Amino acid sequence: DTGVSQNPRHKITKRGQNVTFRCDPISEHNRLYWYRQTLGQGPEFLTYFQNEAQLEKSRLLSDRFSAERPKGSFSTLEIQRTEQGDSAMYLCASSNGPLRDRGKETQYFGPGTRLLVL
Amino acid sequence: AQSVTQLGSHVSVSEGALVLLRCNYSSSVPPYLFWYVQYPNQGLQLLLKYTTGATLVKGINGFEAEFKKSETSFHLTKPSAHMSDAAEYFCAVSYGGATNKLIFGTGTLLAVQP
Repeated sequence: DTGVSQNPRHKITKRGQNVTFRCDPISEHNRLYWYRQTLGQGPEFLTYFQNEAQLEKSRLLSDRFSAERPKGSFSTLEIQRTEQGDSAMYLCASSNGPLRDRGKETQYFGPGTRLLVL
Repeated sequence: AQSVTQLGSHVSVSEGALVLLRCNYSSSVPPYLFWYVQYPNQGLQLLLKYTTGATLVKGINGFEAEFKKSETSFHLTKPSAHMSDAAEYFCAVSYGGATNKLIFGTGTLLAVQP
């Protein structure tokens, strides 16, 4: 069990550029989450995948954001035409467990990708 | 809307002193409750969680938390602080369901003075 990994760990980009982040969940975890954490705040939910299906997207996820999870393994989060307000830590988490009692599951977090938009 | 409140964005204690980090949630339905810790430049690590059963929950590194439904609280405590406890602590809730997303508080930065 190598844990959740995310790449890159840091990304500096200029406003208007596109960026893509990758998340590799714990193997065999079928559930994957993306959260965003801005300075001085707790993480906020962005989107959720069960296997390859994207089942929920937050209103925080504007049209410039797109997430995929092909084949239900790794996931990518792309931000198009980045803005300075996109600067944040992007966290990925994965979990697994029976469909009953979902609330008892533990979400395991990766180290995050810190994005700075200049 | 469901929310989580962490009183005190910064808490400072002396090494060996009691640690008390406060967390209150707002919902009529009791949620599942979690405490996560975040060390600098790292992701979040689960300290402990309350789902059902005993309301006093023990976690890693000597931390524990008590769910008090009447007070809608889930405060985190540790009898004796260690320098290595310096980190940011987040309280979170979930309500299960199809997504089971976590709703986090704004965090409490714990400083431990020698």
